[in-house]
Amino acid sequence: SQKIEQNSEALNIQEGKTATLTCNYTNYSPAYLQWYRQDPGRGPVFLLLIRENEKEKRKERLKVTFDTTLKQSLFHITASQPADSATYLCALGGLGGGSQGNLIFGKGTKLSVKP
Amino acid sequence: DAGITQSPRHKVTETGTPVTLRCHQTENHRYMYWYRQDPGHGLRLIHYSYGVKDTDKGEVSDGYSVSRSKTEDFLLTLESATSSQTSVYFCAIRDSPFEKLFFGSGTQLSVL
Repeated sequence: SQKIEQNSEALNIQEGKTATLTCNYTNYSPAYLQWYRQDPGRGPVFLLLIRENEKEKRKERLKVTFDTTLKQSLFHITASQPADSATYLCALGGLGGGSQGNLIFGKGTKLSVKP
Repeated sequence: DAGITQSPRHKVTETGTPVTLRCHQTENHRYMYWYRQDPGHGLRLIHYSYGVKDTDKGEVSDGYSVSRSKTEDFLLTLESATSSQTSVYFCAIRDSPFEKLFFGSGTQLSVL
């Protein structure tokens, strides 16, 4: 069956450390992958998009990798801050067929950065 | 922020009553989506639209219908609400199927 899994429901780290979030999928062949941030009571906000032919993307303190062989994406936040505390969602896209490009979301990882 | 407004923000209703949620955008984006978000399930697609009067089902469409008579408005209707439809509903928009989504602030719906 098709699955998309984010490594853990919750991740607690110390301020200043690098947070690494994992997104694994099975039985999908996405053309791209997106990461979103969601704060309590708010809608998700887009962070980064990485395509299947790209290994790595960076934006300020954020870095995402995409390994289509391992069927895995890693999302890194370097020099983490308490303000980075939120739930992070990965989403697969470009799944072909009749999907119309619709995104399939993981359940999210709740990141807590302690001062 | 993208110009996307959901209404109402909160609604409490009784089982068996009809409910309509509205999504309004000012971005002139072609694609509009309705998702529901539940603990343990994440975001799941209910219905989507790829143009005026062009809609299709998503992963969890049973019990829901949609309409899009204008580019800017996408309505989600629960014909006869059930307790299992208690959820947070998000509308999202984008201009092409390969771009990022812009989400609304959500509607918290409680069906008692």
